This record gives sequence, structure tokens and C-alpha cells, in this order.
Amino acid sequence: GENVEQHPSTLSVQEGDSAVIKCTYSDSASNYFPWYKQELGKGPQLIIDIRSNVGEKKDQRIAVTLNKTAKHFSLHITETQPEDSAVYFCAARTKDKIIFGKGTRLHILP
Amino acid sequence: KAGVTQTPRYLIKTRGQQVTLSCSPISGHRSVSWYQQTPGQGLQFLFEYFSETQRNKGNFPGRFSGRQFSNSRSEMNVSTLELGDSALYLCASSMGPAGEQYFGPGTRLTVT
Repeated sequence: GENVEQHPSTLSVQEGDSAVIKCTYSDSASNYFPWYKQELGKGPQLIIDIRSNVGEKKDQRIAVTLNKTAKHFSLHITETQPEDSAVYFCAARTKDKIIFGKGTRLHILP
Repeated sequence: KAGVTQTPRYLIKTRGQQVTLSCSPISGHRSVSWYQQTPGQGLQFLFEYFSETQRNKGNFPGRFSGRQFSNSRSEMNVSTLELGDSALYLCASSMGPAGEQYFGPGTRLTVT
């Protein structure tokens, strides 16, 4: 069936360094790619999204890139801070369904 | 603007019982989706409602059902609970079916 693969499952970076999380999707009908951040005890929070007619989108320290040909999209966080520690989920959405990646637990090391 | 609210936040039920969870979307949002989150399976789509109609349904048994009211509030029901139904149930609302989704804090269901 259709799926979204997310890597890595766990990522540790030094505070101030950059973090990159990658996702691959299988359904070529996917046209919307949101990223969510989930902190302990809370629901996922939408942090950035990209639609299939755009290759890159940036919002302050966060950016997302999309390669439709390769069916890859990535989340880039620069100048990481302690409050970036959380679980991050990617998702790929078609007209009928949305599929999430398994999540990446990001640890920011002091 | 108030966010998505879900009640109750925590629930403990026994196998075989049924449960109803409630979700109030952000004011003005007419689309509500439900998800099940477990450590093993991650986030899985249950169903989506828009204007009181179910638009899409995930791959879950018929024990899982839902509905949406005219004020866009939504409920989901799970009948004949099984141990494997223990999970965090999340509701997300959006302006319309293809819009940005905003999640509530979830209802933690434990089945014993």
C-alpha cells in the first residue's frame, strides 16, 4: 500500500547546529506535504507545509524542500535551540487521504 | 481564537465497553479529522468529516464510527473495545477538506 518513509528515527545535534529530516512518499497523487512538531503530552503542531507546485519554502529557522520527481521532501532546522527538542512528523496528502511518517525524535544537546 | 478542544483528556475503559470522544474545532473550521496514535503504528487516519458528511475513511474496522453536527463539532465512537484500542485519539480541524490541519491535545484511552 501507499506509505511515507521518514529518516532518521532519532537524531541528536549540538545546540546551534543544523538538523535535517528526510521523507519519501510513494503515492504520486500526493500534492500537500505538512510537517508537524509534537511535544510530550501535546497534539502535533503544524510548523511548515509545502504544496506540490513549490520546490522550497522557508520560515525563519525552518525550511522545507520538495523534489517531486524523486518523491522526496525534507525538513531543515538551522541554529537549533533547546526548545526544538520534540518528535517531528512528515505527511503526504492526496485528495482522499493523508499518510504520516513514523516520526523523528530530535534531541538538542547542550 | 481558541484552539481545537477534545474531551475527555483521559479515559479508562474495560474490554467490551464502548466509548464516545468529543471534538470541538476551531471557530469557523468546518472540516474535522480523527487519528489514532500508538507507539507501534504511529499516526493513522480514521475518518474525515465536512459539513456533517463523512468524506473519507481510513482502514479501521466498523467498530470505529463518527459523526459531525451542524455546529461542526464531532464525536467518534468505538464499540466493543479491545486492548489494542488503547491509544491517543487526536482530532484535527481545518477550514475545508484540503486545508491546513490543526490538532487538539488528544484523548488518551486506556482499555483494561
